Amino acid sequence: DILMTQSPPSLSASVGDRVSITCRASQPIWTSLNWYQQKPGKAPRLLIVAASHLQGGVPSRFSGSGSGTEFTLTISSLQPEDFATYYCQQSYSSPGFGPGTKVDLK
Amino acid sequence: QVQLVQSGAELRRPGASVKISCEASGYTFSRNYMHWVRQAPGQGLEWMGIINPRSGATIYAPESKDRVTMTSDTSTNTVYMELSSLRSEDTAVYYCARDSVPATGQRSDVLDIWGQGTLVTVSS
Repeated sequence: DILMTQSPPSLSASVGDRVSITCRASQPIWTSLNWYQQKPGKAPRLLIVAASHLQGGVPSRFSGSGSGTEFTLTISSLQPEDFATYYCQQSYSSPGFGPGTKVDLK
Repeated sequence: QVQLVQSGAELRRPGASVKISCEASGYTFSRNYMHWVRQAPGQGLEWMGIINPRSGATIYAPESKDRVTMTSDTSTNTVYMELSSLRSEDTAVYYCARDSVPATGQRSDVLDIWGQGTLVTVSS
């Protein structure tokens, strides 16, 4: 099984901040990495597919990068609606999610 | 618009079973695989398995496979997930989620559309 880890587990930031979240896979997964956003009481929302491709309707302040075992989700200028938990998910073998990174207001 | 609508919250005793439905609309139901994912209170996302709605073929996560059954009904555009021998650790919100690839027999394991979730509470 491929183990996914994320860092940091949580972070506090202000509106307008640049925020980065790292996701690591226990073995190479090429670019088979997706990012989801989840707000309290809501279903996850797909943000980024295949490491760097923005899903339709997702603001351009979100971006993704990486390949192999290390990946990054970046929010260039945090907006009030971006405070949420973010999950990475590998789609290289049976789907597996990272533990999540909670982004809250400083 | 494309949407997945799940059945309502359930309360079960330990040892019982629960069956959750997920009705799809706004796209050709049989063309996309459907995943099931669960989330225990305050915890992360756990993939449970996947079903091909057209053929009924399933793949279950090892952690679930002994107690989970996924089925589909193409006449009503609905997939079902039944979990048996419930225990308190099964208390969670259960989500269905569509696989993003609209091609019969293929899957991407990218989950692009999610249901609203169904809370299952297991308590004596």
